[in-house]
Order: sequence, then structure tokens, then C-alpha cells
Amino acid sequence: EPEVTQTPSHQVTQMGQEVILRCVPISNHLYFYWYRQILGQKVEFLVSFYNNEISEKSEIFDDQFSVERPDGSNFTLKIRSTKLEDSAMYFCASSEGPVGQETQYFGPGTRLLVL
Amino acid sequence: AQSVTQPDIHITVSEGASLELRCNYSYGATPYLFWYVQSPGQGLQLLLKYFSGDTLVQGIKGFEAEFKRSQSSFNLRKPSVHWSDAAEYFCAVGAINQAGTALIFGKGTTLSVSS
Repeated sequence: EPEVTQTPSHQVTQMGQEVILRCVPISNHLYFYWYRQILGQKVEFLVSFYNNEISEKSEIFDDQFSVERPDGSNFTLKIRSTKLEDSAMYFCASSEGPVGQETQYFGPGTRLLVL
Repeated sequence: AQSVTQPDIHITVSEGASLELRCNYSYGATPYLFWYVQSPGQGLQLLLKYFSGDTLVQGIKGFEAEFKRSQSSFNLRKPSVHWSDAAEYFCAVGAINQAGTALIFGKGTTLSVSS
């Protein structure tokens, strides 16, 4: 069964450093998402991406964050200058259509620790 | 604004006993509702979803959920719990826009299964 994959599974970085989290969505999917889950808290929406542009973003997704689909298969989340509060599990998801019609499938997550 | 409440943070059920996990939502229109399960170290796996039609929906692993509009609820049930069901369970509502959809998650319920 096709699945969403994410790399790396764990990342440790120093505050102020840039990180790039990578995702390979399911191949025929057109809608892509990033969510995060701070330890002990709920999963929060960050951004959705469709047709090579951001379709929606939350207030968490400020100028420090960016997303890109550089090569037609990968979907990346970049954090330009990490803060301690960016430590969280980051989930990528993809869907064939908008959620009213199709399900979002989630990857296993990347656990980011900012020191 | 859309929101999801899962009133129970942690539930312990004996193996073989029945299970009900509660979920209440707030949404202005007809919601799209989901239950996801997260096992330790794993991503979010879809258990079941409600888009429209029959208010009792069947999912994987023997789970079912019932949509009750009058109570704004979408409770998850299983008649006989197995030890492998121990995990964290998230209820989510789909917030619709035209080009993709953000899922709004509850804080999750951790299920422990005792022998």
C-alpha cells in the first residue's frame, strides 16, 4: 500500500539554525500538508499546498517557515532560524483531493529537537 | 471557529471489554469527521471517516463511530478491545476551503488496555 514517507525521523539542531524536513507524498496525490505536534499537545495544522502554491496557512506558519515542492516528488518544510519552541513532531500528509472527498494520509513524522 | 474536544485524556479498559471514546465538535456547517490512531513511534492512521449519509460508520480494526448532529458528537466505539488497540486516538474535523482542507484535531485520548 502506498504511504507517505518522511526524512529524517529525528533531527537535533541548535537554536538559530536552519532545518529542512523532507516528505515524499503518495505519488498520485495533489494536496499536501504539514502539521506539528508539540509534546503532550494536540496536532496542529501548519500549511496546505496545492497546485504549487500555499492554499491555506495557520498563524503558526510565520515568515520563518516555508514550503516547497522542488522536484515533483518531494515536499519540504524549511524553518529558517529555529527557536526552542519549534521543538515538536512534524507530520506531512497528502490527499488525492480536498478533504470533503478524499482522506489525508499521514507520514510517520520527524521529531525535531531545538537546543 | 472550528474546534474538537476530547474530554477524556486517558482511559484504561480491560481486554475484551467494550470501548467508547468521546468526541465533540464545533463547526458551522456539516462537518467532515475523522478518527485517527497513533501508535508509539508511528504516524497517524485513519480509522474511519464521516462525510455524509449513514450516521453510523464502520472503520478498520473493528471500530465504528456514530455521528449525532443534535449532540455535536462523533464517538468512537469498539465492542471488544484487544491489547494491540493501546494507542493514542485523535478525533478531527475538516475545515473546508476550496483548494485543500486543514484538519482540526482534538487533544487526543490515550487508551491503555489491561489484561
